[in-house]
Amino acid sequence: QQQVKQSPQSLIVQKGGISIINCAYENTAFDYFPWYQQFPGKGPALLIAIRPDVSEKKEGRFTISFNKSAKQFSLHIMDSQPGDSATYFCAASIDSGGYQKVTFGTGTKLQVIP
Amino acid sequence: GAVVSQHPSRVICKSGTSVKIECRSLDFQATTMFWYRQFPKQSLMLMATSNEGSKATYEQGVEKDKFLINHASLTLSTLTVTSAHPEDSSFYICSAQGGWTGELFFGEGSRLTVL
Repeated sequence: QQQVKQSPQSLIVQKGGISIINCAYENTAFDYFPWYQQFPGKGPALLIAIRPDVSEKKEGRFTISFNKSAKQFSLHIMDSQPGDSATYFCAASIDSGGYQKVTFGTGTKLQVIP
Repeated sequence: GAVVSQHPSRVICKSGTSVKIECRSLDFQATTMFWYRQFPKQSLMLMATSNEGSKATYEQGVEKDKFLINHASLTLSTLTVTSAHPEDSSFYICSAQGGWTGELFFGEGSRLTVL
């Protein structure tokens, strides 16, 4: 059962453009929604995260928009750069007895072309 | 920021042998560590949750006798792939929850190739 659905699977954006990746979840018990960036052959790294009591969070060029009623959230990358080319995973987590159990989306491979 | 070190980064072994992968939290204590498996161009699949001083909790469908997890200290968890076969070839990633934010930090991953 895929609890976190992510789209698109791949995305090509011109340098300077806006990259948008969307995710939807099913379990309303999720209480933390991080986004991870992964470069080939490397482990994921936390990019930005949001909690469901906030509708938007911005850190530099990265913004998360969160719609609790629709159970959807998205990542916007403004002024996309070639260095942003990577695979992005949305995730949702729930407190499971003292630790956060994370469920990942299927990933979006972003390519930013000069 | 907090760092999780994973070793080895790449390992090639013959079918039938066992391989151990180490995951260390370098500057924080991690009561809980996680092991994931990632197939090419796919998402991370949680294999098991490793708790210091107790038995690991395996996800449905993951063979606990095949993938032995030991969390002997607050900074070290190991994954041993026993009697490895070519279908076990994959990218294995560990993570540890730590710091005051409870953020999840990932290791660099270990590429296992079983011949």
